[in-house]
Amino acid sequence: ETGVTQSPTHLIKTRGQQVTLRCSSQSGHNTVSWYQQALGQGPQFIFQYYREEENGRGNFPPRFSGLQFPNYSSELNVNALELDDSALYLCASSDGNQPQHFGDGTRLSIL
Amino acid sequence: GEDVEQSLFLSVREGDSSVINCTYTDSSSTYLYWYKQEPGAGLQLLTYIFSNMDMKQDQRLTVLLNKKDKHLSLRIADTQTGDSAIYFCAERVSSASKIIFGSGTRLSIRP
Repeated sequence: ETGVTQSPTHLIKTRGQQVTLRCSSQSGHNTVSWYQQALGQGPQFIFQYYREEENGRGNFPPRFSGLQFPNYSSELNVNALELDDSALYLCASSDGNQPQHFGDGTRLSIL
Repeated sequence: GEDVEQSLFLSVREGDSSVINCTYTDSSSTYLYWYKQEPGAGLQLLTYIFSNMDMKQDQRLTVLLNKKDKHLSLRIADTQTGDSAIYFCAERVSSASKIIFGSGTRLSIRP
């Protein structure tokens, strides 16, 4: 069974740029959630996708957007990057109400 | 409101039991989780408990839930050096798809 995989593992961008992060869900999981984890803090919920539709959103501005594809993989897009967007971005997949399983994350640094 | 609180640090001697405590505010929580995060890695699901349960045991791990006081604890028996990590308490509220995380408790093991 393949777990949740995320790419890239590390990324460096400058302010104002755009970034796309990718996530492949665990086999059999139809729901993908994205979280932002700033240094020294717990993960903060960004949004969730279920069967290609957004299924809940946290307190993040519209420049954070996402997609889910028919194979349940997902992308997180962030436009107009700001210094405070520097964080570990975590993807988690689940099957319905079952617990979420996390990938190892993408560490995004904004210069 | 939605809030999960944990103490930031815990130090225990190798072989002793570790008890990590957590309080939450949302009485409509359905599931409560414990995740482990090692340096540079994502979150590993350790165990979870449904809100109508008082206790769950899984090998060295024991979860206790006091729903009246909104208090959750994780006991790790016979703590080993490999248990050094940050432990996150998290709740899932029934009205939302998101999981709310605490800020994490850093567990360190003394020889």
